[in-house]
Amino acid sequence: DAGVTQSPTHLIKTRGQHVTLRCSPISGHKSVSWYQQVLGQGPQFIFQYYEKEERGRGNFPDRFSARQFPNYSSELNVNALLLGDSALYLCASSLYGGGGTDTQYFGPGTRLTVL
Amino acid sequence: AQKITQTQPGMFVQEKEAVTLDCTYDTSDPSYGLFWYKQPSSGEMIFLIYQGSYDQQNATEGRYSLNFQKARKSANLVISASQLGDSAMYFCALETGGFKTIFGAGTRLFVKA
Repeated sequence: DAGVTQSPTHLIKTRGQHVTLRCSPISGHKSVSWYQQVLGQGPQFIFQYYEKEERGRGNFPDRFSARQFPNYSSELNVNALLLGDSALYLCASSLYGGGGTDTQYFGPGTRLTVL
Repeated sequence: AQKITQTQPGMFVQEKEAVTLDCTYDTSDPSYGLFWYKQPSSGEMIFLIYQGSYDQQNATEGRYSLNFQKARKSANLVISASQLGDSAMYFCALETGGFKTIFGAGTRLFVKA
């Protein structure tokens, strides 16, 4: 079975631009979570979606938004990019949103560089 | 507030020896889960092991075991018989409420031949 896939792998943008990152969960998983991992730090929770509804949001500005589609894939959008948005963006999928033995499985990430 | 602390920025271990990576946590929620992930240089987070707060026994998965000491709020990862391929970043993570997972700062493990 295919794991979590993310696209693109790498992305270079300039300040002020907008970016869309995409994630396809493991088949049968209904939940997708997004994390930002700045170089040298652990991942920081951005959003979780379950059955197309936002279930939780981390401490990120409104420039960050996301959605989940009927096929459970997801997009993360970031507007008005700042230099500090440069990071590895990780998507994780789980059956019901994680918790207990419902493990989150991560994709390979999208490395975003903002110049 | 929930918190995860990994105090070892880097660790060295000789191939074939065991190594313990430290993790302490703080939460007021009686129900929670603790996870360890491995992140090679490629960037992908690889799930290693899970421990639930109500689990009576320490979790084990192959060469990985989790030394869970609930009263001390610690959840150390033990890797037995280290291999060169174990060289990577290791993250401890705390899950409460089912949707938000908090990660520690990580420990970089170097396995020497």
